[in-house]
Parts: sequence; structure tokens; C-alpha cells
Amino acid sequence: DTAVSQTPKYLVTQMGNDKSIKCEQNLGHDTMYWYKQDSKKFLKIMFSYNNKELIINETVPNRFSPKSPDKAHLNLHINSLELGDSAVYFCASSSGANVLTFGAGSRLTVL
Amino acid sequence: TQLLEQSPQFLSIQEGENLTVYCNSSSVFSSLQWYRQEPGEGPVLLVTVVTGGEVKKLKRLTFQFGDARKDSSLHITAAQPGDTGLYLCAGDSGGSNYKLTFGKGTLLTVNP
Repeated sequence: DTAVSQTPKYLVTQMGNDKSIKCEQNLGHDTMYWYKQDSKKFLKIMFSYNNKELIINETVPNRFSPKSPDKAHLNLHINSLELGDSAVYFCASSSGANVLTFGAGSRLTVL
Repeated sequence: TQLLEQSPQFLSIQEGENLTVYCNSSSVFSSLQWYRQEPGEGPVLLVTVVTGGEVKKLKRLTFQFGDARKDSSLHITAAQPGDTGLYLCAGDSGGSNYKLTFGKGTLLTVNP
């Protein structure tokens, strides 16, 4: 029973398309995150939600829009995809201790 | 902006060797976490160190938090191929900002 599950695992798409990645956690955590890991393995936070409320929004283009319908779900929608968006996107969740449980990642390839 | 520098960036060793990975910053952190990431998977927490000077052991892995809480090290004794992976340190500056600062990682390969 996966604690943090994200779909799809792999996503290959053309430039200019719009795509979404979904994330669900069954840990009962209040806080969820989206991280981007680039080709050099650098893990950088994009967004964080606490009880469905946006609390961290790093300098991410407006083409990225997170949405949290409830505290167990945090989805990421990306408009007008660009080549530079190619990366692995990780969803994570945490309790108040800021210790993260990550999903397995979604590898996005923009052609 | 808080930065965490990890060294070395890459490390390739033979099974049975010992190694140390470093995580350094000019900032003070309330705690520091170490994660290991295997190919195709997300990072998994190994340990959290909280107190300056703290040493924690996890089987063959020894983690140390610097006295000033600005740096940390991970020492692996008698490395095994199963230790292969990307080791990430992450600093928590405390408070309720829900934000960890990650280092760029050390990619360890242990050859049989």
C-alpha cells in the first residue's frame, strides 16, 4: 500500500501541450509538496500546501499551477510545456516535523 | 538564501572500502536530514540529526551533526553494492515555513 503515489510515472509530450501529474498520500499528513529534480539531480521545491492552503510558491513560471482538492491530494498542471520543463517531478508529504515522504517520481520528457 | 554544499559530487569505490560524505553550509539549521535515493525512486529518509555534536549510527552508517549545526557528515564502513545511490542532505531552518534546503547530492557507486 503505497504511502505517496503519483501518476503517471512517465510522461512524454510535445512542446506547447498541457499536462497534469496527480499525487495522493494515505499517511494523514497535513502538508504536501511538489519538487523538481533536474538532470543534475538537484532537488528544488516548487510548491507546498498545508491543509489545502498554499504556503510555499517558489519562483515557478505561471504555467505551473498546483491544485489541492483535499489534504490527501495535490495535483500539478503544466500549461504550454517547454523543453526546459523536462525533469523528474516528485510529490512529497510531511507531518509537522518537516520529514518528507516522497513519491516515486514522474519523469516528464518534452520533445 | 541558505545553501548546502555536498562533497564529493561523485564517488566510486570498491566493496569493503570506507567512505565519508560531507554536507556544509554557512547557515545554522535546527536539524539536518539525510536521504538516499535509488534510481527510479524518490528519496527515502535515513536519519535526522537535531543536536549540535550529535552522532547517530544506523548499522554501517554513522551520521554526525557539527557542533555549530552548520555541517554534517555521513561515514559508511565496509561499503556494499546495496549502498549505491544518491545521498542527499537537507537542512531545516526551523519555524513553520515547511521548507527544507537540499544539497545537490553525492552519487555513490559501490562496485562488487
